[in-house]
Amino acid sequence: SFELTQPPSVSVSPGETARITCSGDALAKQYAFWYLQRPGQAPVMVIYKDTERPSGIPERFSGSSSGTTVTLTISGVQAEDEADYYCQSTDASGTLVFGGGTKLTVL
Amino acid sequence: QVQLVQSGAEVKKAGASLKVSCKASGYTFSNYGITWVRQAPGQGLEWMGWINTHNGNTKYVQKLQGRVTMTTDTTTSTAYMELRGLISDDTAMYYCVTNLGVGPPNYWGQGTLVTVSS
Repeated sequence: SFELTQPPSVSVSPGETARITCSGDALAKQYAFWYLQRPGQAPVMVIYKDTERPSGIPERFSGSSSGTTVTLTISGVQAEDEADYYCQSTDASGTLVFGGGTKLTVL
Repeated sequence: QVQLVQSGAEVKKAGASLKVSCKASGYTFSNYGITWVRQAPGQGLEWMGWINTHNGNTKYVQKLQGRVTMTTDTTTSTAYMELRGLISDDTAMYYCVTNLGVGPPNYWGQGTLVTVSS
C-alpha cells in the first residue's frame, strides 16, 4: 500500500491564507480528495479530484496538484474553518488511503 | 432528503463479532457504492473497505482481510459491515459513506461507536 503524509498542524490568523500539503508517490497518478472534520462530526468533502469543489463548499476552499504533492488552500480563513483536514487517494488496485490528518488552528 | 442512518452504539467483549447497519433513504441505493471508514478515539480516518451496491463486489483493506465482511440488502436499502474476532484496537467510531474516493455525492452516516472491552 502507499502512504500520504500531511503536517500534523497548521496555524493561521483569521483572514489569512492556510495551506495544507499532502505528499505521496501515488498522487502523481491518482486524484486526491480533501475532507474537513469538526469535533464530534462526520467528515465533509471539500475538494475532489485534486481541484474540484463540491456544491455548497465556500469558494475560499481550493485545491492544487504538483507532482507527488497536493495542496488544500483556504483563503481568508474564518474561525469556523478550524477543524481536522484529511487528504485521501486511491492506488491502482482500488485501495483507498487517508493521510494522517492536519489540525488547522485559527488563532 | 438523503440520509444514511446507522445502528446504535455497541459494547462488545474481545473475541466477539459485530454487525453495523447503514440504512439509506432519499436516493436509489444501487447508484452509489458504500464505503466503511473507522476512526479510533483521537486518531485519524481509516478506510476499511467498499461494496458495490449494484453487484455486491467488495474490496477490503488488507489488515482486515478474513475478519471483515460487507454486504447489502437491496430490498431494504441497507448496507452491513460485520467484523469478527474483535480486539481492543477495533474500538472506534464506524462510518458508512457513499462514493468515497469517487466524488459527489458524499453522504455520511452519523457514525456508530463501538467499544471493545477485554
